[in-house]
Amino acid sequence: EAGVTQFPSHSVIEKGQTVTLRCDPISGHDNLYWYRRVMGKEIKFLLHFVKESKQDESGMPNNRFLAERTGGTYSTLKVQPAELEDSGVYFCASSQDQRTGFRDTQYFGPGTRLTVL
Amino acid sequence: DAKTTQPPSMDCAEGRAANLPCNHSTISGNEYVYWYRQIHSQGPQYIIHGLKNNETNEMASLIITEDRKSSTLILPHATLRDTAVYYCIVRVAAQGAQKLVFGQGTRLTINP
Repeated sequence: EAGVTQFPSHSVIEKGQTVTLRCDPISGHDNLYWYRRVMGKEIKFLLHFVKESKQDESGMPNNRFLAERTGGTYSTLKVQPAELEDSGVYFCASSQDQRTGFRDTQYFGPGTRLTVL
Repeated sequence: DAKTTQPPSMDCAEGRAANLPCNHSTISGNEYVYWYRQIHSQGPQYIIHGLKNNETNEMASLIITEDRKSSTLILPHATLRDTAVYYCIVRVAAQGAQKLVFGQGTRLTINP
């Protein structure tokens, strides 16, 4: 079974440009999460989708970040316009459903390393 | 903020058991203890989780104290590939409360 995949693995852009990150969750997983780690800091939660709906977007830093999950499959995270402080590693995770136990265990992708110059 | 306390770093000899402690003195009755690890720059990897009973899987064992205020992750025969940052996370297992709150973790170094 394929794990969570993310694209691209690395992205280098200039300040003010737009970048779109993509996450493909494990097939059949209803829940999709975005996290990020900025330099020297802890991994922080950004938002959580249940199928195509945003369940919790309390971690989104500002309105320059837009996440979508059309059709409840893959998700995109767009940063527009990018700022220097957006540099970091963006992780995506998915879990099967919201019932407790193993079904709500989150499995992470390899991350996208974003560098804003 | 993370609700757990872990030592910032630990060392262990290859082939020995690595015991990683975690304090979670404010844990609630409906909160699980999860362990993840991050090897170098990879994505966090799920290891194990438990509520109040000890748990074991192919990767590790989780020992939770009777009062649930602390736990220990045990890697029974550590290898060099177990060098990583290990995160102990307390998480409410309830619909709608799904996010993971990462702390600084413990940087475990396995020495040959």
